[in-house]
Amino acid sequence: NAGVMQNPRHLVRRRGQEARLRCSPMKGHSHVYWYRQLPEEGLKFMVYLQKENIIDESGMPKERFSAEFPKEGPSILRIQQVVRGDSAAYFCASSPDRAGAEAFFGQGTRLTVV
Amino acid sequence: GENVEQHPSTLSVQEGDSAVIKCTYSDSASNYFPWYKQELGKRPQLIIDIRSNVGEKKDQRIAVTLNKTAKHFSLHITETQPEDSAVYFCAASNQGTGGFKTIFGAGTRLFVKA
Repeated sequence: NAGVMQNPRHLVRRRGQEARLRCSPMKGHSHVYWYRQLPEEGLKFMVYLQKENIIDESGMPKERFSAEFPKEGPSILRIQQVVRGDSAAYFCASSPDRAGAEAFFGQGTRLTVV
Repeated sequence: GENVEQHPSTLSVQEGDSAVIKCTYSDSASNYFPWYKQELGKRPQLIIDIRSNVGEKKDQRIAVTLNKTAKHFSLHITETQPEDSAVYFCAASNQGTGGFKTIFGAGTRLFVKA
């Protein structure tokens, strides 16, 4: 099992461009969570998705940010018209559809907006 | 909304001493409390967890305690070693039959001096 895979590991975007972050959950995991971590800070919950459904997006900024987890393929976190303040590490975690299961994190994508 | 407070933000101990990190949570429906360790530039990794039907759990040099009435839980590391130096995050979630949204504390940066 390859674990939770995120790509790219590092992403540089100019202000105003779009950033697309990908997360492939562990095999057999149907729940995906996205977190944002600013330098020297904690993990802020952004969104929780199941296949084709957004379960909880209470941590997502109202504008420019969107997430999806299609039936086929990875989960995508999309940031439109990036600004310097979007620079952070974005972590994805996944868990199986089973009570009492733990969540595993990917290596993260470090987004730098220049 | 849900909130997890974590203290202290920084902790420095001498090798061999014990380290204690304390957290409180606000959502009384929380029933699962994982602790993650994050080394610089790496993903958060689960080190121990506790569920609401248990008051204490131990794994070698690491122990966690939970007081549901007071909504407090703590991480105890005994006989600390330099390799224990990292950022530690407590978290709380409401695990149902499937996935769960996890809220993290702000983290404790632990320094173990040799």
